[in-house]
Amino acid sequence: AQKITQTQPGMFVQEKEAVTLDCTYDTSDPSYGLFWYKQPSSGEMIFLIYQGSYDQQNATEGRYSLNFQKARKSANLVISASQLGDSAMYFCAMREGDNQGGKLIFGQGTELSVKP
Amino acid sequence: DARVTQTPRHKVTEMGQEVTMRCQPILGHNTVFWYRQTMMQGLELLAYFRNRAPLDDSGMPKDRFSAEMPDATLATLKIQPSEPRDSAVYFCASGSRDTQYFGPGTRLTVL
Repeated sequence: AQKITQTQPGMFVQEKEAVTLDCTYDTSDPSYGLFWYKQPSSGEMIFLIYQGSYDQQNATEGRYSLNFQKARKSANLVISASQLGDSAMYFCAMREGDNQGGKLIFGQGTELSVKP
Repeated sequence: DARVTQTPRHKVTEMGQEVTMRCQPILGHNTVFWYRQTMMQGLELLAYFRNRAPLDDSGMPKDRFSAEMPDATLATLKIQPSEPRDSAVYFCASGSRDTQYFGPGTRLTVL
């Protein structure tokens, strides 16, 4: 069974608009972490944001925020005021247990295209 | 600012040759990971270390792959002998509980 599911293979958004990238996860571990990464065409993996399973508030980092709905097991990434430079692949990932920092399980990714 | 570094960035080799990839984790990070990215399989973990000790190498084909951390500033991933199906981007990452930073990757092509 898929542990991380990103149901949107590709998405388009108009520049300056907000966009939500979906991510659902499956785990029975009460302690876990959720990560989002951006992979532009250059190939690097850029860490964007982290949410811990016990965190009470949704994580935010600049224009990125994570809409964490624990009961639904979803961790959607919201990008506000999209820019052309946001065009990239976006990966959701989960760390189960290992609070010192364990391996990540990745989703298949969503390709975001920002239109001028 | 602190970054994970990897060498080489690109490697083209012939089937049967040995390949060694190197990684320098971010100073102070005690957990180091090797991931592989392919179009078919996506991103998958090969192995990881904490405080230089191997914690999980279940994702690695043991007959041809080996991963080591000879010291806290160097992690290596070796493939011997290499095969065309090993062609992929290999990422090293280092991190802690709430961060995991990736290096730029080594793009390996095995002919």
